[in-house]
Amino acid sequence: QKEVEQNSGPLSVPEGAIASLNCTYSDRGSQSFFWYRQYSGKSPELIMSIYSNGDKEDGRFTAQLNKASQYVSLLIRDSQPSDSATYLCAPLGNTGKLIFGQGTTLQVKP
Amino acid sequence: GAGVSQSPRYKVAKRGQDVALRCDPISGHVSLFWYQQALGQGPEFLTYFQNEAQLDKSGLPSDRFFAERPEGSVSTLKIQRTQQEDSAVYLCASSMTSGGADTQYFGPGTRLTVL
Repeated sequence: QKEVEQNSGPLSVPEGAIASLNCTYSDRGSQSFFWYRQYSGKSPELIMSIYSNGDKEDGRFTAQLNKASQYVSLLIRDSQPSDSATYLCAPLGNTGKLIFGQGTTLQVKP
Repeated sequence: GAGVSQSPRYKVAKRGQDVALRCDPISGHVSLFWYQQALGQGPEFLTYFQNEAQLDKSGLPSDRFFAERPEGSVSTLKIQRTQQEDSAVYLCASSMTSGGADTQYFGPGTRLTVL
């Protein structure tokens, strides 16, 4: 079993729709979780962090965390073509390293 | 301000050659991480420095991989006797404090191709 599991996709949504990206992790000790966005050929950039159970909203993005279920999700409202990218879920491991999933490719179609 | 920079951006090596990849973190950042990203995969942790101390090298795939950060700023990842399976993008990230709970800022990466 991988430490972090994400559906590789592609997830295709029409412009203006809600995109829902999911992630499960195996380490029950993980306390901090990050969502990174990676455009093709570029490096990852942080879009959301979440540390407590529940929802955290930032503009069009909402991160959801359920530590009991070892589940993290990212919702993107009013999806735009510019949101088309790979989204990487990353719990924080010991010594501060990020443990990335393989990423979910999102395609937003105009 | 300047972000994390890496050089070279692209490196082609013949199998068996040694390579050195450089990372310049954001000035003043305590933590520096190296990750390896194979095509179609998420980045995988290689090693972590807190200032000049290498606190975690558990992700280095073999003893051919060596990293240093002698003065607590610039870091070099060295790969000896490169193999085809070493072909990947090598990403460097830095963060302001130790422990990693703050944002890790990634450099543009070095794409290594081993022929």
